[in-house]
Amino acid sequence: TQLLEQSPQFLSIQEGENLTVYCNSSSVFSSLQWYRQEPGEGPVLLVTVVTGGEVKKLKRLTFQFGDARKDSSLHITAAQPGDTGLYLCAGGRFGNEKLTFGTGTRLTIIP
Amino acid sequence: NAGVTQTPKFQVLKTGQSMTLQCAQDMNHNSMYWYRQDPGMGLRLIYYSASEGTTDKGEVPNGYNVSRLNKREFSLRLESAAPSQTSVYFCASSERWSSGNTIYFGEGSWLTVV
Repeated sequence: TQLLEQSPQFLSIQEGENLTVYCNSSSVFSSLQWYRQEPGEGPVLLVTVVTGGEVKKLKRLTFQFGDARKDSSLHITAAQPGDTGLYLCAGGRFGNEKLTFGTGTRLTIIP
Repeated sequence: NAGVTQTPKFQVLKTGQSMTLQCAQDMNHNSMYWYRQDPGMGLRLIYYSASEGTTDKGEVPNGYNVSRLNKREFSLRLESAAPSQTSVYFCASSERWSSGNTIYFGEGSWLTVV
């Protein structure tokens, strides 16, 4: 059973455009992380959010944790080719320290 | 800084063969993990070691065994490889066993079972 669903699965947009990817679940999470993975490498942590409604910004990337702690979004402003990669969300659940990873969004930014 | 180092990077096995994936971290982390990554499935936890001297099953442990050799090293063994074990394997570590911790991943090991 996949607890975290990410959408869209694939996204290809032009450089300079804005985009949002989503991470949704029916379960409540104690924390939510976003990772980016480039070809041939392991995932690298971008951000951790722990409070419902929390918004964190990392340069052109804005991360939001849903009020009910069941979902999250990643918004990228003025996308750059360097943003290309696989974006993975990962949730931690109360009383269970094992992270659950989402299915991933493969993002391609076209110069 | 090496971080998490895993070997080999590529391996082709015949069905029924055995092999061990090696992993070492130099960050003095307490917790270590083995994940597999398959298309459309995200990352799935195979085994983890919350601290030195302990190991436990993750989501997909069947067909695998692990050894936490010391604080630095955590190996994954396939006793009798099957085509379903064709995947990319990632070793990872974190400072402690907590879902809010940063997990640091190795570069991955591409395994093909024919």
